[in-house]
Parts: sequence; C-alpha cells; structure tokens
Amino acid sequence: DAKTTQPPSMDCAEGRAANLPCNHSTISGNEYVYWYRQIHSQGPQYIIHGLKNNETNEMASLIITEDRKSSTLILPHATLRDTAVYYCIVSSFTSYGKLTFGQGTILTVHP
Amino acid sequence: NAGVTQTPKFQVLKTGQSMTLQCAQDMNHEYMSWYRQDPGMGLRLIHYSVGAGITDQGEVPNGYNVSRSTTEDFPLRLLSAAPSQTSVYFCASSYTRAKSYNEQFFGPGTRLTVL
Repeated sequence: DAKTTQPPSMDCAEGRAANLPCNHSTISGNEYVYWYRQIHSQGPQYIIHGLKNNETNEMASLIITEDRKSSTLILPHATLRDTAVYYCIVSSFTSYGKLTFGQGTILTVHP
Repeated sequence: NAGVTQTPKFQVLKTGQSMTLQCAQDMNHEYMSWYRQDPGMGLRLIHYSVGAGITDQGEVPNGYNVSRSTTEDFPLRLLSAAPSQTSVYFCASSYTRAKSYNEQFFGPGTRLTVL
C-alpha cells in the first residue's frame, strides 16, 4: 500500500471548516483513499473513502486531486466533538482489510 | 445492534500468564481483525479473518493466537504475556461484499498492562 504524509497537528475554530490535507504521491491505480478518525481513547471510526471523484457524506467531504497524489478531508462546520486524530490511509481491495495506520493529524477544534 | 463489543475493558497480567481477549459483533460481518495501539502510535494489525474457519497473520502476529469458529466471535489469545504486549487492543469488523473490507467498525478497546 502507498505511504501517506499528514501534518502532525492542526487547529480550527468551532463553526469553521476544517481542511485536513494528505499527501499520497505513490498511490497506484487500484488504491482508494480512506479517512478514519479516533476520538480520545475510543476505537477508530470510518469517515469516508474515494478513488478519484470527490465524495460527500453526512460527516465530511473528500476532495482528491486530478493526479490523485493528494487529497483533503473537509469537515464543513467543525464542532468541539470533532477534536480527534484523523488518519489518511491508502489501500486497495486486494489488501483484504489490512489497514496501515500512520501517526495521523491531531485536529483540535477551539471554541 | 450492539456493534462490536470487547471484553474485558481493562486487564492487568503478570509476565508469563495467558489470557483471551474477547471480541463479538452482531452485524453479520464476514471480516474481523485485531489491532494493537501503543502509546502515541498508529494501529498495527495482529491477525485477521475473512470468514469462519479462516484466519491469517497481520503485521505483528508473534505471541498471539486466534481462531474463528463462528461468524460472530473472534477471540485473541495471549499465550505467555510479556511487558512488550502492554497496549490497547482493538477489534474491528466489516462486510466483504461490495469490496467493503476497508470500511471497518471498531470496538471500544481493551487496555492491557503486563507487569
């Protein structure tokens, strides 16, 4: 699976959009981009995934660049409950669920 | 649905003791897995299973055994606990249909300390 690079930490004001970047320059054609988050002491929570088109669900939006070498997770109106570690993971279906979690980005949402 | 449940929530063992961490899911997921998370680190895969009777090793399998006799349960056994196994253990599950392996549901974790 391709390696990902994320900033170690980011801050965001409550009510504003949080934009979390991820670099995955070695991504291959059959690999998807997945985002998970882990709120303190809890198990990780799946957020969203995409291949090459932008995706949106009730939690977030995922923007993938045309060359697929980077992506951005957008939380449109961050709340204090969104404070968590966010993991960007690149994986293909042939990895059969073997997710590789890096260090992630610690997002702190301030009042 | 209860989702993915793990027991116990906390456990303290002495070096050399054995124990089993329990994991159960009620979502009829074919895929189940075990991860460990050391302080300040990301999760690392220990073992996984794509269905009852089928298991395979992940990134850090040494010192752990698994079996999958039912779809619902995926216990993790520590054979002879060592201080290096002090960690938080997470169980996860997902469907395998529609290529959903990577959309996993995680349990709340078991915090294990080995003295």
